Amino acid sequence: NAGVTQTPKFRILKIGQSMTLQCTQDMNHNYMYWYRQDPGMGLKLIYYSVGAGITDKGEVPNGYNVSRSTTEDFPLRLELAAPSQTSVYFCASSSAMGGLETQYFGPGTRLLVL
Amino acid sequence: DAKTTQPPSMDCAEGRAANLPCNHSTISGNEYVYWYRQIHSQGPQYIIHGLKNNETNEMASLIITEDRKSSTLILPHATLRDTAVYYCIDRAGGTSYGKLTFGQGTILTVHP
Repeated sequence: NAGVTQTPKFRILKIGQSMTLQCTQDMNHNYMYWYRQDPGMGLKLIYYSVGAGITDKGEVPNGYNVSRSTTEDFPLRLELAAPSQTSVYFCASSSAMGGLETQYFGPGTRLLVL
Repeated sequence: DAKTTQPPSMDCAEGRAANLPCNHSTISGNEYVYWYRQIHSQGPQYIIHGLKNNETNEMASLIITEDRKSSTLILPHATLRDTAVYYCIDRAGGTSYGKLTFGQGTILTVHP
């Protein structure tokens, strides 16, 4: 199993541009998550999904959109990039074993908005 | 989820045990204690979790005090590759899916 994969690894965007961060997992997990991590800080939850077709906001959803059309994929969309969105983005997934699931993280996407 | 507090940094000699403390004085009865770590530039990695009994797996041991207000993660024989940021998180089981709240964690430096 590849686990959780993310593309791209690194991207530079100009202010106002848009992009989609891709996330795929091959563990057949129902739950998927997007976090962002600013320098020297912990992770903050952006959006999460409990299954295909179901998404919900996390702690910092403004400026982002998500969709979940399949179990495997959970893309994160930035519509109008702003310097405040410069961060490292991590995707994660978990199964739903009575709510005690552990999360498996991808390697991250480093985004720089100039 | 309740808030946890951890020391910002700790050092440990290679081959010695690393004991990382965590305070979670406002933890409620159905909240578990989870530990993750993040090695530089990588995604976080699950280590261990527990409710009230001590737990051990191939990576570490978790000691939870009887009143559940604090816990200690023990890496029995630290190696240089254990240098990372360690996060202590408490969260409820049941319906709190995805509600992992990462603080700033403890930077553990293992030195030769």
